[in-house]
Amino acid sequence: KQEVTQIPAALSVPEGENLVLNCSFTDSAIYNLQWFRQDPGKGLTSLLLIQSSQREQTSGRLNASLDKSSGRSTLYIAASQPGDSATYLCAVRPHAAGNKLTFGGGTRVLVKP
Amino acid sequence: EAQVTQNPRYLITVTGKKLTVTCSQNMNHEYMSWYRQDPGLGLRQIYYSMNVEVTDKGDVPEGYKVSRKEKRNFPLILESPSPNQTSLYFCASSPLGRFSTDTQYFGPGTRLTVL
Repeated sequence: KQEVTQIPAALSVPEGENLVLNCSFTDSAIYNLQWFRQDPGKGLTSLLLIQSSQREQTSGRLNASLDKSSGRSTLYIAASQPGDSATYLCAVRPHAAGNKLTFGGGTRVLVKP
Repeated sequence: EAQVTQNPRYLITVTGKKLTVTCSQNMNHEYMSWYRQDPGLGLRQIYYSMNVEVTDKGDVPEGYKVSRKEKRNFPLILESPSPNQTSLYFCASSPLGRFSTDTQYFGPGTRLTVL
């Protein structure tokens, strides 16, 4: 059974510092991995999706890497801003036949001005 | 605007009083799903639907029902709510996932409290 873990559960950094968020999964046979952002009262927003054949994906200040063999993904957020304060969730999709996502517990990020 | 809507957004009810949480999407997606989010347990799938009249259990289906009579709607029904169903509920939709780049779209969430 796939298990997804995110450590740390919470993180506080001063504005301008780079953020590094970690995600690990137990079964390397994944179809893709997604990083989501969760804001209170606003649901989940997809940030980046990395296909199983990719090593990384970039969007603006965000960069996500994927190492399937070691069961790890890392989300980097460069030059953090107070607006980056949110909970970040990673989720893996196990195979092409199903759309079910298995989520990690999330990392709550606070960027202090 | 492409979106998934849920209603109500907040609900406080009492044990045993039947309730329905509605979910609607305007993207013509085949796949729809319900998750619940609890502290320390993350998001867990309750039920999902691959298309109209096709539904199946997720990881935590006990105490819930769903129906998919129309493509755009996927209501979550709690026939006899209990306090352990107090949670934050999310509806999600996506294309059927033939392509590995298909992402899921989530609704804003429904915070349910059962007293």
